[in-house]
Amino acid sequence: DTAVSQTPKYLVTQMGNDKSIKCEQNLGHDTMYWYKQDSKKFLKIMFSYNNKELIINETVPNRFSPKSPDKAHLNLHINSLELGDSAVYFCASSQDDGGGTGELFFGEGSRLTVL
Amino acid sequence: AQSVTQPDIHITVSEGASLELRCNYSYGATPYLFWYVQSPGQGLQLLLKYFSGDTLVQGIKGFEAEFKRSQSSFNLRKPSVHWSDAAEYFCAVGLMEYGNKLVFGAGTILRVKS
Repeated sequence: DTAVSQTPKYLVTQMGNDKSIKCEQNLGHDTMYWYKQDSKKFLKIMFSYNNKELIINETVPNRFSPKSPDKAHLNLHINSLELGDSAVYFCASSQDDGGGTGELFFGEGSRLTVL
Repeated sequence: AQSVTQPDIHITVSEGASLELRCNYSYGATPYLFWYVQSPGQGLQLLLKYFSGDTLVQGIKGFEAEFKRSQSSFNLRKPSVHWSDAAEYFCAVGLMEYGNKLVFGAGTILRVKS
């Protein structure tokens, strides 16, 4: 019974396409995140939502738009995909009020390859 | 700016040998500190964390880490490495004034030789 699940696990697409990655957590956590891990394995936060409210929005192109329909889901939509978007995208969740002491639970990642 | 440095990109140790993975951070206040492990094709799993109190913290799988404020370090240790410990290890700083934002180091790949 997966705690943080992401779909799809692998995604190969052409430049210019629009794609979405979905994330769901069944841990009852209040906060969810998207992290990007590039080819050098460097992990960087993109977005954070607490109870459907955006609380962290790093310097990410407007082509990336997160959507949180409820606190158990945080989806990531990417418009006009570029080669540099190729990476592994990790969803995570934590149980806190956004004030930041909670452990992050990560999904297994979604590997996006843009051709 | 806040940063986390893991100076060793790769480390190879023999099975049964001791291990120390280095982590230094740059942050104005006392940070929250974490070590995560990532096995190939998997997400990250928390090994241990430091918030306050005893500067030597114990984690899962026999790992421990020591917070040294004077050195701005949070090195991860294990007295005897097992082949299953081969993975990538990430140190992270929690920046609480930005929501629960973790800043990760670049990671250290651990190889275990038998």
